[in-house]
Amino acid sequence: AQSVTQPDIHITVSEGASLELRCNYSYGATPYLFWYVQSPGQGLQLLLKYFSGDTLVQGIKGFEAEFKRSQSSFNLRKPSVHWSDAAEYFCAVGKGAQKLVFGQGTRLTINP
Amino acid sequence: KAGVTQTPRYLIKTRGQQVTLSCSPISGHRSVSWYQQTPGQGLQFLFEYFSETQRNKGNFPGRFSGRQFSNSRSEMNVSTLELGDSALYLCASSKLRAERASTDTQYFGPGTRLTVL
Repeated sequence: AQSVTQPDIHITVSEGASLELRCNYSYGATPYLFWYVQSPGQGLQLLLKYFSGDTLVQGIKGFEAEFKRSQSSFNLRKPSVHWSDAAEYFCAVGKGAQKLVFGQGTRLTINP
Repeated sequence: KAGVTQTPRYLIKTRGQQVTLSCSPISGHRSVSWYQQTPGQGLQFLFEYFSETQRNKGNFPGRFSGRQFSNSRSEMNVSTLELGDSALYLCASSKLRAERASTDTQYFGPGTRLTVL
């Protein structure tokens, strides 16, 4: 069965520091992978996606993610976080875009 | 281009009642999916509609149902509400069918916050 694990429920980083959010997936075929961000009271906004090709994908707001098939991982990174990045981040996997399976989310807090 | 809209944004119901939530997809999008988000279970897929037909269904009881109209707008209905149905219900739309390899992407609405008392 498909599953996504985000090992870190809550992460706190200082503004300007680098960030890495972990995501591990279990999927029987070549996965489509996504990272979404959710601000309080809001829906989900797509940060980036991986379907095939270059394993390092660039997204919006300065985020990037690297697909590592050997580790079944799709970690999200940002070199320097801003206070506005505080939100909840969700990793998701699916074949095509429908019926996505989401991780439990990682809540990001930014210290000034 | 307008995004996915959901109405109402907030709803309070009592146990045993039923509720209908509405979702208008992005113009030109024909696929609409519904998700339930709760603190305990996270984001869970409910069902997906394409061209007025339910294509995929998640693991939810029959009290949860939906439909899609010819203009791609979708409604979700929950009958005989239970306390555990309190959640944020998110709707997402995408342009194409994704049965085969596809670069389709889902775009989410702001959600409807349902509280069951």
